Amino acid sequence: AQTVTQSQPEMSVQEAETVTLSCTYDTSESDYYLFWYKQPPSRQMILVIRQEAYKQQNATENRFSVNFQKAAKSFSLKISDSQLGDAAMYFCAYRSASAGKSTFGDGTTLTVKP
Amino acid sequence: DVKVTQSSRYLVKRTGEKVFLECVQDMDHENMFWYRQDPGLGLRLIYFSYDVKMKEKGDIPEGYSVSREKKERFSLILESASTNQTSMYLCASSSGVTGVGYGYTFGSGTRLTVV
Repeated sequence: AQTVTQSQPEMSVQEAETVTLSCTYDTSESDYYLFWYKQPPSRQMILVIRQEAYKQQNATENRFSVNFQKAAKSFSLKISDSQLGDAAMYFCAYRSASAGKSTFGDGTTLTVKP
Repeated sequence: DVKVTQSSRYLVKRTGEKVFLECVQDMDHENMFWYRQDPGLGLRLIYFSYDVKMKEKGDIPEGYSVSREKKERFSLILESASTNQTSMYLCASSSGVTGVGYGYTFGSGTRLTVV
């Protein structure tokens, strides 16, 4: 079974600075997808960024980018120019290309300090 | 926009009651999921469904059942609610095999308290 580990339960960052959230996963599969989701306080969880395992190029969405290291099974999220609205819990998730269900990490709570 | 709607934002039920949590999506997604979210435990999969009338057990199905009579609706049933089922319940949907890479769309969640 796949497992996803987020080793940082809490992180904080100063507004306008950069922060990196860590995620590692364990799988024997070669074809899969990785995701970062954001859950603001008392609000709906939304997809932030996705990465296909067969693509070597790291995904980027505006201020959000990932560092995908397939051999190391590492998938970190970098948030640049942090904003107050980035404060949320962030979940890393794994999804096999052949199965519909995802496995989630325990989450990292990000605090943004003004 | 894809919408996943959960019928209740907050629920308070008594121990032993039968509880229904409803989830409806409007984008013709094949896959639907029920997770529970607890502090420090992340999201744990209860049940999921790939198609109408189909269901698969997730990691923690004990004490729960599901129903999917129509493609757009996926119901989670707590047969006899217990205090250890107090949690946040999240419903999600996604496209089928061809859309596996596009992630989930989540509902707003139902915070259930069992007293």
